[in-house]
Amino acid sequence: DTEVTQTPKHLVMGMTNKKSLKCEQHMGHRAMYWYKQKAKKPPELMFVYSYEKLSINESVPSRFSPECPNSSLLNLHLHALQPEDSALYLCASSQVGSYQETQYFGPGTRLLVL
Amino acid sequence: LAKTTQPISMDSYEGQEVNITCSHNNIATNDYITWYQQFPSQGPRFIIQGYKTKVTNEVASLFIPADRKSSTLSLPRVSLSDTAVYYCLVEAGGFKTIFGAGTRLFVKA
Repeated sequence: DTEVTQTPKHLVMGMTNKKSLKCEQHMGHRAMYWYKQKAKKPPELMFVYSYEKLSINESVPSRFSPECPNSSLLNLHLHALQPEDSALYLCASSQVGSYQETQYFGPGTRLLVL
Repeated sequence: LAKTTQPISMDSYEGQEVNITCSHNNIATNDYITWYQQFPSQGPRFIIQGYKTKVTNEVASLFIPADRKSSTLSLPRVSLSDTAVYYCLVEAGGFKTIFGAGTRLFVKA
């Protein structure tokens, strides 16, 4: 199984709402990633968890709050977002190794903030 | 982290071989070169990875010259379904991943 699943596929939220994005993988990967991708732009790294610990935070605003409850799950909690946060949010996972490990991406959650 | 430069877009016809070159002049000794493919509204998908010389798998070949300052992704006999964005990444170990601008390949019938 080389699949990374993400739910929901689409999400519309107001600026005062609280919502969560969910990502799951069962490949035994111990690194999990969140990316943000705007239209016609490359994915931008937001957070990385390694062995369920936050390893990288790319200076992401605090209205985005990641959580890694176990080695298979990754959440992204959203609160008080802005319209400019509308984007495709991608989750990925990989092995933890000594060189650039292949990342497996989910299909993404398309987020619209009104 | 090495910065990569790729052509913004390329056009091709079905059945042709497509070569996409990536420039990475500041590549470090420990860096590997990785290519991903992305279709609209999908996550990127790993295509191929290499360190030097030539790597080939069932979908593509990767050519890396001795100085490693560039690399070329070769897609043999492309089809309409190969229309996508192709990203070249150059990084050593660790998790900090930076995607370049990518090359939009459009395959025509």
